[in-house]
Order: sequence, then C-alpha cells, then structure tokens
Amino acid sequence: DAKTTQPPSMDCAEGRAANLLCNHSTISGNEYVYWYRQIHSQGPQYIIHGLKNNETNEMASLIITEDRKSSTLILPHATLRDTAVYYCIVRVGNAGNMLTFGGGTRLMVKP
Amino acid sequence: GAVVSQHPSRVICKSGTSVKIECRSLDFQATTMFWYRQFPKQSLMLMATSNEGSKATYEQGVEKDKFLINHASLTLSTLTVTSAHPEDSSFYICSARDPSEGQETQYFGPGTRLLVL
Repeated sequence: DAKTTQPPSMDCAEGRAANLLCNHSTISGNEYVYWYRQIHSQGPQYIIHGLKNNETNEMASLIITEDRKSSTLILPHATLRDTAVYYCIVRVGNAGNMLTFGGGTRLMVKP
Repeated sequence: GAVVSQHPSRVICKSGTSVKIECRSLDFQATTMFWYRQFPKQSLMLMATSNEGSKATYEQGVEKDKFLINHASLTLSTLTVTSAHPEDSSFYICSARDPSEGQETQYFGPGTRLLVL
C-alpha cells in the first residue's frame, strides 16, 4: 500500500470547517483513499473513502486532487466531539487485507 | 454501518496469568478479523489476521504462542494473551470486514484495555 503523509496536529474553532490534508504521492491506479478517525480510548471509526471522484456523506466530504497525489477531508462544521486523531490510509480496494495506520493528524476542536 | 463488539472493555490481571479477549461481529459474518495493539500515544499496529476455520497469520515480531488467536465461527474471534507480563499492557482492538458491502470497509471494535500488574 502507498505511504501517506499527514500533518501531526491541527486546531479548529468549533463551528468552522476543518480541512485535513493527506499526501499520497505514490498512490497507484487501483488504490483507494480511506479516512478513519479515533476518538480517545475508542476503536477507529470509518469516515469515508474514494477512488477518483469527490465523495460526501453525512459525516464529511473527501476531495481528491486530479492527479490523486493528495486529498483533503472536510468536516464542514466541526464540533467538540470531532476532536480525534484522523488517519488517512491508501490501499487496494477489495484486497481483504489489513489497514496500515500511520501517525495521523490530531485534530483539536476548540470552543 | 456494521457493528463490532469486544469483551471485556478493560481488564486488570496479575503477571503470569492469561487473558482472553473476544471480538464479535454483531450483524454480519466476517471470514476475516484483524487484531491490533496500540500503546499510549502511538498508532495502531497490526498483530495478526484471524481467518475463520484456519490458522491465524501473525505479523513479524508477534509471538504466536503468546498471543493465541481462535476464529471458531463467522462472528467470533478470540485473542488470548498467555502468561501476561506488564509489557503486554496495551489497548487491543479488533476489526472485521463485512464482505456483503461492495467496498473494502473495515469496522472496528471499541477496544480492550489490558493492564498487567
């Protein structure tokens, strides 16, 4: 699976959009971009994933650049409960294998 | 999304004893489950892949005789930490893939915090 690079931490004001960046310059054509988050002392939670097109669900939006070398997870209106470590993972879809977690970005939402 | 549970949520044991952690997929059948370990302020590290009806596949550096994995049914995998020592104290998390979903989404359990005294 391709390697990802994320900023170690970022702050966001409550109610504002949180934009979390992930670089994956070595991504290959059949690899998807997945985002998970882990709230303190809990298991990771799936957020969203995509291949080429931008994706949106009830939790977030995923913007993937045209060259697919980077992506941005957008939490449109961050709340205090969104404080967590956000992991960007690149992997082949339907491969049936494990997820490889990097360091992630620690998002702190402040009042 | 699918739900994965773990039991117990936290356990304290004496050094030298064995501890069993259960991972269940509540509303789907999982032929494959994964066990991760997470030390404080670190990321999740894969320990092993649990396959229903066959032996688990362990990552390099993980002792298979110390971390016994049994995937006896399509909804249950167990991890037994044998002869636990204080350095085994960690946050253990399992995940499972719902094969009925079109894409490769894994669902994680809430984790089990193990403290070995």
